[in-house]
Amino acid sequence: QVQLVESGGGVVQPGGSLRLSCAASGFTFSSYGMHWVRQAPGKGLEWVAFIRYDGSNKYYADSVKGRFTISRDNSKNTLYLQMNSLRAEDTAVYYCAKDVVEMATYFDYWGQGTLVTVSS
Amino acid sequence: AIQLTQSPSSLSASVGDRVTITCRASQGISSALAWYQQKPGKAPKLLIYDASSLESGVPSRFSGSGSGTDFTLTISSLQPEDFATYYCQQFNSYALTFGGGTKVEIK
Repeated sequence: QVQLVESGGGVVQPGGSLRLSCAASGFTFSSYGMHWVRQAPGKGLEWVAFIRYDGSNKYYADSVKGRFTISRDNSKNTLYLQMNSLRAEDTAVYYCAKDVVEMATYFDYWGQGTLVTVSS
Repeated sequence: AIQLTQSPSSLSASVGDRVTITCRASQGISSALAWYQQKPGKAPKLLIYDASSLESGVPSRFSGSGSGTDFTLTISSLQPEDFATYYCQQFNSYALTFGGGTKVEIK
């Protein structure tokens, strides 16, 4: 069955960096687009970034553009999110999510999430 | 970015009630809309895609309708396990967006 397992969350100071990982299994990872979606404590869902199945296209929410970088290693079935210049408002649970196709559409599988806390 | 406005933001209902949640897009998105259910402490679960297609394994009491700018999610007969928060999401543009959510609570 499809499994997505995030890791790398934790507490980081404002201005700091963190890299999240998402290990995928149970499907042909290299055939699907992948996303990061976040949810601040007690708030709604916010799409963060998308990467096409082969890494050829990447899209970002305006709130993270220029600070976050999405990438993938299809040989390791792993998705990444490099987060730099972190701000308090980046505090959230970060989910990786699988797209139903190779492009950016909607999400049929989600991980359990990893919490990122930006605080001094 | 395309904005999605959900209403109501919360509602109270009883088991067996018919519940309708609306989602309005700031511009036309054809049928590029999905609905998700989220329970506390859990990841969202896909219910409806392409505005009206039921995801495999989702009970038939859930249905979606609409196109263009106005969409609805209907639960025909609310069950105890349906108390949760529901989100719409558009994929008409590459900048994906979610609605603000609708919390369905027990009356």
